[in-house]
Amino acid sequence: EAQVTQNPRYLITVTGKKLTVTCSQNMNHEYMSWYRQDPGLGLRQIYYSMNVEVTDKGDVPEGYKVSRKEKRNFPLILESPSPNQTSLYFCASSLAAASSYNSPLHFGNGTRLTVT
Amino acid sequence: GQSLEQPSEVTAVEGAIVQINCTYQTSGFYGLSWYQQHDGGAPTFLSYNALDGLEETGRFSSFLSRSDSYGYLLLQELQMKDSASYFCAFHTGGFKTIFGAGTRLFVKA
Repeated sequence: EAQVTQNPRYLITVTGKKLTVTCSQNMNHEYMSWYRQDPGLGLRQIYYSMNVEVTDKGDVPEGYKVSRKEKRNFPLILESPSPNQTSLYFCASSLAAASSYNSPLHFGNGTRLTVT
Repeated sequence: GQSLEQPSEVTAVEGAIVQINCTYQTSGFYGLSWYQQHDGGAPTFLSYNALDGLEETGRFSSFLSRSDSYGYLLLQELQMKDSASYFCAFHTGGFKTIFGAGTRLFVKA
């Protein structure tokens, strides 16, 4: 089944404790991206990757890191989480960077992160 | 700057037609998409407009006017399962996708 898999689904952590949220897709998509979703703010893009070893900042990259060593994986790293990073995070992938009928974004099921 | 505006909430009755509007501001524009998200779920793709005009996909249609920086999603024959949040999003030449804050649709019996 074609899918984007995120882990974990729920994560509670403390301020400053490094964490990684994994994202994997099995559709051979070139483009992958991370979003955070907060009430009233919609989905805001954190980082995106056009291909292996090619990443760039989205609109809210502060406090986050990403890597794209393999085409299928795009982990999100919080080196020193803070309470303002408490949010719902989504990973997404698409065939190409610009959405089209052939290239919509496919989203994972989300990771709800709480930082205390 | 780059932004999208859509109404925060819309309420309609089962069987009716509802239109969710989206206006945007951007310097680079490669198309407008619409996504649906049920509570607790992930966003799922509904429709995409690259050019002006209406695109129809079953009960859902989407319209774009590039000259007016405006689009809308039209949902016909509303069903209770259409109660969800709907997001418009535009795609820039810089590989970014910018989402609106979302419109929560309530469908009443």
